[in-house]
Amino acid sequence: DIQMMQSPSSLSASLGDRVTITCRASQSISNYLNWYQHKPGKAPKLLIYAASSLQSGVPSRFSGSGSGTDFTLTISSLQPEDFATYYCQQSYSNPRFTFGPGTKVDIK
Amino acid sequence: EVQLVESGGGVVRPGGSLRLSCAASGFTFGDYGMSWVRQAPGKGLEWVSGISWNGDSTGYADSVKGRFTISRDNAKNSLYLQMNSLRAEDTALYQCARVLGGQQSSYYYYYMDVWGKGTTVTVSS
Repeated sequence: DIQMMQSPSSLSASLGDRVTITCRASQSISNYLNWYQHKPGKAPKLLIYAASSLQSGVPSRFSGSGSGTDFTLTISSLQPEDFATYYCQQSYSNPRFTFGPGTKVDIK
Repeated sequence: EVQLVESGGGVVRPGGSLRLSCAASGFTFGDYGMSWVRQAPGKGLEWVSGISWNGDSTGYADSVKGRFTISRDNAKNSLYLQMNSLRAEDTALYQCARVLGGQQSSYYYYYMDVWGKGTTVTVSS
């Protein structure tokens, strides 16, 4: 089974900060890695798919990189609407997926 | 409008069973894989189970393997999750999600792009 790890588990940041979240897979997953933003009471929102492809309609301040086992989500300049929990998710073993444990981003 | 609507949640005693349903509309259901995802109170997202477009391939999280069964009826545009031997730790909001697959350059991708609002399952004595 593919396990996903994220770090940090939470972070505090200020508006305009550059934020980086990392995700590591327990085995190589090529670029089968997606990133979601989740706010309470709402459906998760896809931000990045295939490790680095920006989903249509997602602001360009979000970017993803990595391949194999190590991946990164970067928010170049944190905006008020970006305070949320972020999850990586592998789709290498489709239809068997796995989420990372999540990274909560809140206001410093 | 593309829509997924879950139903079938409720309160059940430990060891009991429930069958969740997910009704799809606004798209060709049989063209897509589907997944179930849950979120327990105060916890993160947990992928539970997935099924291919034709039902030939399925997958389960270790936490539910042997207890839950995913299925689909493309003629009825519906996805199901049969949950047996329920435990307190299965208490959660259960959401169904559409899985979009495609190809970009030399590689394939799969992601969950449409989600339902969810149905709540509470396992308690």
